[in-house]
Amino acid sequence: GENVEQHPSTLSVQEGDSAVIKCTYSDSASNYFPWYKQELGKRPQLIIDIRSNVGEKKDQRIAVTLNKTAKHFSLHITETQPEDSAVYFCAAPGGQAGTALIFGKGTTLSVSS
Amino acid sequence: DGGITQSPKYLFRKEGQNVTLSCEQNLNHDAMYWYRQDPGQGLRLIYYSQIVNDFQKGDIAEGYSVSREKKESFPLTVTSAQKNPTAFYLCASCGTANTGELFFGEGSRLTVL
Repeated sequence: GENVEQHPSTLSVQEGDSAVIKCTYSDSASNYFPWYKQELGKRPQLIIDIRSNVGEKKDQRIAVTLNKTAKHFSLHITETQPEDSAVYFCAAPGGQAGTALIFGKGTTLSVSS
Repeated sequence: DGGITQSPKYLFRKEGQNVTLSCEQNLNHDAMYWYRQDPGQGLRLIYYSQIVNDFQKGDIAEGYSVSREKKESFPLTVTSAQKNPTAFYLCASCGTANTGELFFGEGSRLTVL
């Protein structure tokens, strides 16, 4: 089945710096790669996703890049702000016929002002 | 107000007891999922269902059971066979199986005394 590895597990940056979180997946048939953000005490929420027919997608300060050959995808956050502090999870399709999302172990991002 | 509701928010159980966590959604979503969240472990898939009266085991199904008798409801039973049941449990739903946004409930925290 699908295996998703996520690095780093913790990341500390200064406000205004960029942050990059990387994930690798094992199933070459996977075609959908979302990123979720979970603030302290809250439920995970989708922040951006990318499908396998594109290599990059941007939404304001966040972007996701995908390298299908290497089977990895990354989340990029520019001009970080304290409110970006949260746990970020990447995911890829798994389960029976890819009908469930398999998540990475998460990255705790801390942005200090 | 559309959404996904989990109850109870907090639950305490004695060893050897079964307990059922409720998950209800009014989003008219076909797919529903149960994840377990432990510190440093990410979101691990327990069970999922794409349609009424059908469900599949996830990566950590042992000691858990589910039912899907109605589209809106996907209860999870944590049985006495689950060796380490103390955890935070998240239910989610999705309109298009695994290629769309997962909407999560607020979670249920189970503590075994």
